[in-house]
Amino acid sequence: GQNIDQPTEMTATEGAIVQINCTYQTSGFNGLFWYQQHAGEAPTFLSYNVLDGLEEKGRFSSFLSRSKGYSYLLLKELQMKDSASYLCAVRRNSGNTPLVFGKGTRLSVIA
Amino acid sequence: KAGVTQTPRYLIKTRGQQVTLSCSPISGHRSVSWYQQTPGQGLQFLFEYFSETQRNKGNFPGRFSGRQFSNSRSEMNVSTLELGDSALYLCASSLALADDTQYFGPGTRLTVL
Repeated sequence: GQNIDQPTEMTATEGAIVQINCTYQTSGFNGLFWYQQHAGEAPTFLSYNVLDGLEEKGRFSSFLSRSKGYSYLLLKELQMKDSASYLCAVRRNSGNTPLVFGKGTRLSVIA
Repeated sequence: KAGVTQTPRYLIKTRGQQVTLSCSPISGHRSVSWYQQTPGQGLQFLFEYFSETQRNKGNFPGRFSGRQFSNSRSEMNVSTLELGDSALYLCASSLALADDTQYFGPGTRLTVL
């Protein structure tokens, strides 16, 4: 089966750094996506990792370790607007199999 | 470039009725995927269409169906609605492959009473 695990909820303070973890066990792996979803809105694409290592994009970075089946999303200098759900999704094969999504991590940023 | 659009945004139906939701992908995108999102289950894949053909299907009953038109616009239909069908239905488009980067529409919030 396909299994993607993320913490259900996290809370962090404005200005701090938070790391959201995602572990996966899937039949095949060809990349991992992170999406951000504000309450009542559509998920928006944040990052894509296919090779091991860290990808940095402004305040957001995403890390992948294929041997460990593990990824994390790092958010720096947290702002109140970062309060949202963060979804991890795995691309299993290079081809036409649909993405598999985790259930998401709801992040609350507090003052 | 316009994003993915979905209509209607909100819908209230009663048990036993049927509903049709519409999705227009980003111009040039040929793959359209549909998801059901509920607080308990997260994003669950319904089906994916490419060139008017259903290419992938999730584990949903036959009451859930869809189609895609030649202009890549897609519709999904749910017949004999049940209370458990209340959810946010999201459509996502991608260039060609089912696992390309997906761009989501705002969703249709369906409430079944």
